[in-house]
Amino acid sequence: QKEVEQNSGPLSVPEGAIASLNCTYSDRGSQSFFWYRQYSGKSPELIMFIYSNGDKEDGRFTAQLNKASQYVSLLIRDSQPSDSATYLCAVTPGGYQKVTFGTGTKLQVIP
Amino acid sequence: SAVISQKPSRDICQRGTSLTIQCQVDSQVTMMFWYRQQPGQSLTLIATANQGSEATYESGFVIDKFPISRPNLTFSTLTVSNMSPEDSSIYLCSARGTRSGNTIYFGEGSWLTVV
Repeated sequence: QKEVEQNSGPLSVPEGAIASLNCTYSDRGSQSFFWYRQYSGKSPELIMFIYSNGDKEDGRFTAQLNKASQYVSLLIRDSQPSDSATYLCAVTPGGYQKVTFGTGTKLQVIP
Repeated sequence: SAVISQKPSRDICQRGTSLTIQCQVDSQVTMMFWYRQQPGQSLTLIATANQGSEATYESGFVIDKFPISRPNLTFSTLTVSNMSPEDSSIYLCSARGTRSGNTIYFGEGSWLTVV
């Protein structure tokens, strides 16, 4: 079983819709969760991080964490073509331990 | 966030040669890492660069192939030795530390093509 699992996609959504990206992880001791966006040919850039159960909102982005279900998601409201990228979920046990990345979900926002 | 500079940004290398990638962070960080991202794949951690001591390598990566140095808190190098076409990849430096809290930030990457 992979430590961090994501559907590779592509996930296609129309412009203006909500894109929902999902991630599950295997280590119940995981404490910190990150979402990165990676455009083709570029390095990953941090979108959001979440540490506590529940929702965390930042602009059009909402991260949702459910530690009991070992599940973290990213919602993108009012999706734009510029959101088309690969979204990487990353998980760490906390502190200054290594971060494990999922394989990423490719999102396509259709104009 | 930490600003991370890598060089070279891109290079074409001959089979059998070695190339050293440099990574400079704009502030003191507690941890620096090197990742590899092969075409169409996700990130794979090569090693954690430790200041003043040998790097901690992940399974499948060895010091002879990927020697790493970190002489101070803000600078690290990764050498890809005796390159083969299978080493064609993006190599990413990342950092995590006091200013960035628990978050990892990435450099722009070094795109290596081995011919």
